[in-house]
Amino acid sequence: EAAVTQSPRNKVAVTGGKVTLSCNQTNNHNNMYWYRQDTGHGLRLIHYSYGAGSTEKGDIPDGYKASRPSQENFSLILELATPSQTSVYFCASGDDWEVRQNTLYFGAGTRLSVL
Amino acid sequence: QQKVQQSPESLIVPEGGMASLNCTFSDRNSQYFWWYRQHSGEGPKALMSIFSNGDKKEGRFTAHLNKASLYVSLHIKDSQPSDSALYFCAVTNSAGNKLTFGIGTRVLVRP
Repeated sequence: EAAVTQSPRNKVAVTGGKVTLSCNQTNNHNNMYWYRQDTGHGLRLIHYSYGAGSTEKGDIPDGYKASRPSQENFSLILELATPSQTSVYFCASGDDWEVRQNTLYFGAGTRLSVL
Repeated sequence: QQKVQQSPESLIVPEGGMASLNCTFSDRNSQYFWWYRQHSGEGPKALMSIFSNGDKKEGRFTAHLNKASLYVSLHIKDSQPSDSALYFCAVTNSAGNKLTFGIGTRVLVRP
């Protein structure tokens, strides 16, 4: 099964600080995604990527940047963290740009608290 | 923008019973539909997909799709305590390159 590893697993940040969430996948998948999960909202797409060097905006990109420096790594960056960004963040990868064939493999999540 | 709605929000099922989860979507051009399952403390995992109208059975799980009614459902037969989890319905956009998730249905199977 595809392996997606997120770090850190838990993070406490201060308002206005910079936060970087990291994701690594070892299955050579082209596509990678960042979602956040909040009660009452389910999973919402923040940014995604079709391959190294590419990033695309998802449904809720405001306040977030993404970076895909290599096939394996995809980072989510909060330049100026706010309490509203307190959430659980999930990284996912998939093996085809058409989502029909693109089962998403999720990491275990990063729990972020912004105080 | 695609809207995916799930019902009920939560469900308690006796062990051995049937769980029925419902999902509606708004984009008539949607073509691909998924069910994901998330156990506590873990990331979601793909359970099954359905692309054609009708029923698709995988073991104790049956998905049903009716595109004209903008409706997809999941039925869990002979529910086990290990089926206790949060279940997400997910629908692709018309371009087929993004998944939109519902808010989930929490299923608790009571021994």
